[in-house]
Amino acid sequence: EVQLVESGGGLRQPGMSLRLSCAASGFTFDQYAMHWVRQGPGKGLQWVSGISWNSGSITYADSVEGRFTIFRDNAKNSLYLQMNSLRAEDTAFYYCVKDKNLLQLGALDIWGQGTMVTVSS
Amino acid sequence: QSALTQPASVSGSPGQSITISCTGTTSDVGGYKYVSWYQQHPGKAPQLMIYDVTNRPSGVSGRFSGSKSGNTASLTISGLQAEDEADYYCSSFTTISTVVFGGGTKLTVL
Repeated sequence: EVQLVESGGGLRQPGMSLRLSCAASGFTFDQYAMHWVRQGPGKGLQWVSGISWNSGSITYADSVEGRFTIFRDNAKNSLYLQMNSLRAEDTAFYYCVKDKNLLQLGALDIWGQGTMVTVSS
Repeated sequence: QSALTQPASVSGSPGQSITISCTGTTSDVGGYKYVSWYQQHPGKAPQLMIYDVTNRPSGVSGRFSGSKSGNTASLTISGLQAEDEADYYCSSFTTISTVVFGGGTKLTVL
């Protein structure tokens, strides 16, 4: 079964850090680009970051550029999101998502169930 | 990275067809064939319904179809069913190799 399982969400104060992890199974992880997409409470989807199959191409949304870092470990079938300098507006469900392509072209065919990040003092 | 423009809501009766529009620019929707559509039911993760403007993933009903003209992409659902009631989002690849979503459209089946 193709599956993405996120972990690492929680409550942090503004300015603190958090690392999200995503464990992939059921497909050849190193043949696909991966993304993080978030959804604030009662809000729409917002793309956060994408990484190509070999980490050769990495892109970020303007709202997280310089604060968040996406990386992957193909040997461990895992995707990560290091989140620094957290802000209240980063509060959201964070989804780990698989792309249908080697590059992060945005055809997001497999979604995890999400992990909640709350930033509040 | 401005969000793509979708109508906030659309509605239709069972059996009817509806179309949801998604308007961007030449830097995203108009410039690439990489437009996708997602369905999201309350409390659930989104599901890919259309990718590369017109392609349907395996398992998605043939009642769902996509198209594009200029800077506007469209999702058409024919033969509306109660289970189609959900939020729908479009997305597009952009010239700076990012992905941008639309604001979402709430579909109500009357």
